[in-house]
Amino acid sequence: GDSVTQMEGPVTLSEEAFLTINCTYTATGYPSLFWYVQYPGEGLQLLLKATKADDKGSNKGFEATYRKETTSFHLEKGSVQVSDSAVYFCALPANQAGTALIFGKGTTLSVSS
Amino acid sequence: DTEVTQTPKHLVMGMTNKKSLKCEQHMGHRAMYWYKQKAKKPPELMFVYSYEKLSINESVPSRFSPECPNSSLLNLHLHALQPEDSALYLCASSQEAGGPRQDEQYFGPGTRLTVT
Repeated sequence: GDSVTQMEGPVTLSEEAFLTINCTYTATGYPSLFWYVQYPGEGLQLLLKATKADDKGSNKGFEATYRKETTSFHLEKGSVQVSDSAVYFCALPANQAGTALIFGKGTTLSVSS
Repeated sequence: DTEVTQTPKHLVMGMTNKKSLKCEQHMGHRAMYWYKQKAKKPPELMFVYSYEKLSINESVPSRFSPECPNSSLLNLHLHALQPEDSALYLCASSQEAGGPRQDEQYFGPGTRLTVT
């Protein structure tokens, strides 16, 4: 079945460091792909999305490119800030109608000043 | 407006209590969802409503009872919960439910439930 594999953390970085969080997927067809972020004590927010191969989603300095050939959707940011400390989830829609999102296990990012 | 609201933010209840969680969206979305999330874990799907009809119940215990009074509102009625039901309960909505081309889901801030 469809699945998402995401690198597990925690990832600990200093401010202004480069961030990569790996995400690979297994799916039938070419689903939309999403990155969600969850700040401490809050719900999930959509960070970015891509709907087809080679699309690049971007938001708040984060980017991810939909790579069909490697079935990947890695999240990157050139210079992280303390405020980026959060849990990041890679996700894709389940293939069946009437179903929901399939999430990766989540990656906790901790950025120190 | 891409907001999903949830009330209350926090809820403490005993195992014999009855309470309800509420969720509202005004984006015209036709699909609404309840998720349960334990700390440091991804959300687990509980229920899906599509066009105000329950389409998925992920084998959730009957002490959780969903209700969709109209296309903008979603409730989760709680009765005789167990301490292991303590978690963050998230509501979400999307334009349509299901399929690989479905739009993103928008999540509310959640209700932090503690069962004593």
